[in-house]
Amino acid sequence: AIQLTQSPSSLSASVGDRVTITCRASQAISSALAWYHQKPGKTPNLLIYDASGLESGVPSRFSGSGSGTDFTLTISSLQPEDFATYYCQQFNSYPLTFGGGTKVEIK
Amino acid sequence: EVQLVESGGGLVQPGRSLRLSCAASGFTFDDYAMHWVRQAPGKGLEWVSGISWNSGSIGYADSVKGRFTICRDNAKNSLYLQMNSLRAEDMALYYCAKAPGPGVHYYMDVWGKGTTVTVSS
Repeated sequence: AIQLTQSPSSLSASVGDRVTITCRASQAISSALAWYHQKPGKTPNLLIYDASGLESGVPSRFSGSGSGTDFTLTISSLQPEDFATYYCQQFNSYPLTFGGGTKVEIK
Repeated sequence: EVQLVESGGGLVQPGRSLRLSCAASGFTFDDYAMHWVRQAPGKGLEWVSGISWNSGSIGYADSVKGRFTICRDNAKNSLYLQMNSLRAEDMALYYCAKAPGPGVHYYMDVWGKGTTVTVSS
């Protein structure tokens, strides 16, 4: 199975900060990567698909990049509603896998 | 409005079985692949199983292979997960999720609210 390693596992940031989360795959997955965020007690929400595609309705402060094994999710200016846990997910091959998550907390 | 509503969760003893259901509405169900994803208390997301639009392609996580069976009834706009030989480590919130296309190698663009499975004697 393809393993996804997210870093950091948690971070503290302030409103307005630029935040970057990385996701590294154990083998090449082309651009078959998605990003989600999940607030406590809530359903996961799709942010980015195909490594860099912005899901409809998602604010443009979110962006994704990368291909192969190294991927990045960037929040250009952190907003109060962005404090959540972020997950990457590969869909290149079965079994589909998720990263371990990155918790973004208020500084 | 696209909606996914899971049901069938509950308390079950180790070794017993449970069948989860997911009722879909607001979209043409048989155009899309579907998935089950679970989340143990305080833990991250774990993909469980996926099924293509016509049930021609099915996949399972290694942790459930041989014990869980996914199926769908396109006439009823429903997805199912038959869970046998349940273990304590299967205890989780189980989400039904829709893929954006007919094949299984996809992300999930719509999620249900989940149904909770508790495995305990």
